[in-house]
Amino acid sequence: QVQLVESGGGVVQPGKSLRLSCAASGFTFSSYALHWVRQAPGKGLEWVAVISYDGSDKYYADSVKGRFTISRDNSKNTLYLQMNSLRLEDTAVYYCARGITIIVVAGTDYWGQGTLVTVSS
Amino acid sequence: DIQMTQSPSSLSASVGDRVTITCQASQDINNYLNWYQQKRGKAPKLLIYDASNLETGVPSRFSGSGSGTDFTFTIRSLQPEDIATYYCQQYDNLPLTFGGGTKVEIK
Repeated sequence: QVQLVESGGGVVQPGKSLRLSCAASGFTFSSYALHWVRQAPGKGLEWVAVISYDGSDKYYADSVKGRFTISRDNSKNTLYLQMNSLRLEDTAVYYCARGITIIVVAGTDYWGQGTLVTVSS
Repeated sequence: DIQMTQSPSSLSASVGDRVTITCQASQDINNYLNWYQQKRGKAPKLLIYDASNLETGVPSRFSGSGSGTDFTFTIRSLQPEDIATYYCQQYDNLPLTFGGGTKVEIK
């Protein structure tokens, strides 16, 4: 069965960096686009970034553009999110989600359980 | 960016009631709409894709309809296990955007 397991969350000071990972199993990793979506405490869902099946295309929300970098290692079935210059408003549960198809502009089906990032001084 | 306006933000209904949630897009999204269920402390779960298609394994009391900019999600007969927050999501264009969510409670 499809599994997505995020890790790497924690407490970090404003301006610092953190790298999240998402380990995937149960499907052909290299055949799907992958997304990061976040949810601030008590709030709704906010899309963060997407990467194409082969890593050649990447798109970001304006709120993270220039600070966050999405990447993937298809040999390790792992998705990453490098988060730099973190701000208080980046505090959220971060989910990785599988795209429904190979293309980046598509919905998401399976989601991981999420990892909490807390930005606090 | 495409704005998704979801209503109501919360509702309370009795077991067995019919529950309806609406989602309006700021432009035509070509039926590229998902509905998700998120239970407390859990990840969202896909229920409906392409506006009206039931995801495999999802009970048939859940359904979706609509086209263009106006969409509806229905629970035909509310069950206690349906207590959750429901979100619509458009995927016609990036950035993917979500409705604000509807919290469903049992009366």
